[in-house]
Amino acid sequence: DAKTTQPNSMESNEEEPVHLPCNHSTISGTDYIHWYRQLPSQGPEYVIHGLTSNVNNRMASLAIAEDRKSSTLILHRATLRDAAVYYCILRPTLNFGNEKLTFGTGTRLTIIP
Amino acid sequence: DTAVSQTPKYLVTQMGNDKSIKCEQNLGHDTMYWYKQDSKKFLKIMFSYNNKELIINETVPNRFSPKSPDKAHLNLHINSLELGDSAVYFCASSLGGRTEAFFGQGTRLTVV
Repeated sequence: DAKTTQPNSMESNEEEPVHLPCNHSTISGTDYIHWYRQLPSQGPEYVIHGLTSNVNNRMASLAIAEDRKSSTLILHRATLRDAAVYYCILRPTLNFGNEKLTFGTGTRLTIIP
Repeated sequence: DTAVSQTPKYLVTQMGNDKSIKCEQNLGHDTMYWYKQDSKKFLKIMFSYNNKELIINETVPNRFSPKSPDKAHLNLHINSLELGDSAVYFCASSLGGRTEAFFGQGTRLTVV
């Protein structure tokens, strides 16, 4: 599985934007970039995913570099509820029989009131 | 109206016992998973089922036996529990194995 690299931890002030980076220099052309987060004492929760173009949804935006070797999850206005561990995951699309999410160590996001 | 539900939420048991964790999803998904999160918070896939057929078994000891009676259920039975089995176990489901996955709230298993 292609590997992702994320900072271990980040802090941000409440109500400010947060940019969570992810490096994936060995990404293949058919890998989707997925982001999940895990709030304290809960199961992981899907945030967003994309292939090449930037993506927006109600939770966040995903900015993907032109060479696809890095991406950034953007929370536009962080709230205390956004404090969680954020995981950047590459998910192959042409690998039937190997459907799984391979979690790394993620980035622990702390929101400062 | 929980999408992926696991029971029990907490399970404390003695070494050597046999226990089961149940998982049900009401999303109409055809792929279900079991993940284990250890004390260092590392999440790792254990099993994956598609349409009741096992498609991933990530070198899990054969004391762990998943069973999928239908597409909506994936239960995990553990024989001869060991201290190292203590962890949080998460069930998840998705459609087709490539769409977003929905996770349950987890079952915290403590073996004493």
